Amino acid sequence: DTGVSQNPRHKITKRGQNVTFRCDPISEHNRLYWYRQTLGQGPEFLTYFQNEAQLEKSRLLSDRFSAERPKGSFSTLEIQRTEQGDSAMYLCASSLGSPIMNTEAFFGQGTRLTVV
Amino acid sequence: GENVEQHPSTLSVQEGDSAVIKCTYSDSASNYFPWYKQELGKRPQLIIDIRSNVGEKKDQRIAVTLNKTAKHFSLHITETQPEDSAVYFCAATRGAGGTSYGKLTFGQGTILTVHP
Repeated sequence: DTGVSQNPRHKITKRGQNVTFRCDPISEHNRLYWYRQTLGQGPEFLTYFQNEAQLEKSRLLSDRFSAERPKGSFSTLEIQRTEQGDSAMYLCASSLGSPIMNTEAFFGQGTRLTVV
Repeated sequence: GENVEQHPSTLSVQEGDSAVIKCTYSDSASNYFPWYKQELGKRPQLIIDIRSNVGEKKDQRIAVTLNKTAKHFSLHITETQPEDSAVYFCAATRGAGGTSYGKLTFGQGTILTVHP
């Protein structure tokens, strides 16, 4: 494993359907982040895990969004009852954080969601 | 929360010229400022970063400067090449108190085009 892996790369869904994305971080990284990027904009922070604990959620993350990292390794992001406004690139990133060291964030290639 | 403004939104230069992209941030507690390069359809990749205890950092043709008093930082690319063409994002974050360097607030991005 040489990087952050996200699946699927592309997802087209009908409005109202549920979708789930998966992120596999770099294996030794204890921190995992989800971002959303719309066309022409920078990534926007959604949520953050340290090991299996979800430590922070953005106000952007409505009740229809839920994220998990059950064993502190891979993470899933689920969107329920998708809306057209959910169409975006969903990026995952991971980093190593400790009291003595913090690494940069490494990004995956993203999952592009299109809601029709 | 943090707010990052980035200018210009587009930048067109001739091969061999220099390019400068500027960002301002609002949170005086931010202490880590990375720059990411994102090519079309690809993941954001870190190209250089600077911490608040340093005023300038250089890596070959790329340099970043930080003015903490004015709360702005800049990316400088010298001797530009066509392969430098991409979208560049600045970002800012606090890196202390348990928050890692991965929870980033991004600027809006600059589309750099280098003409041969």
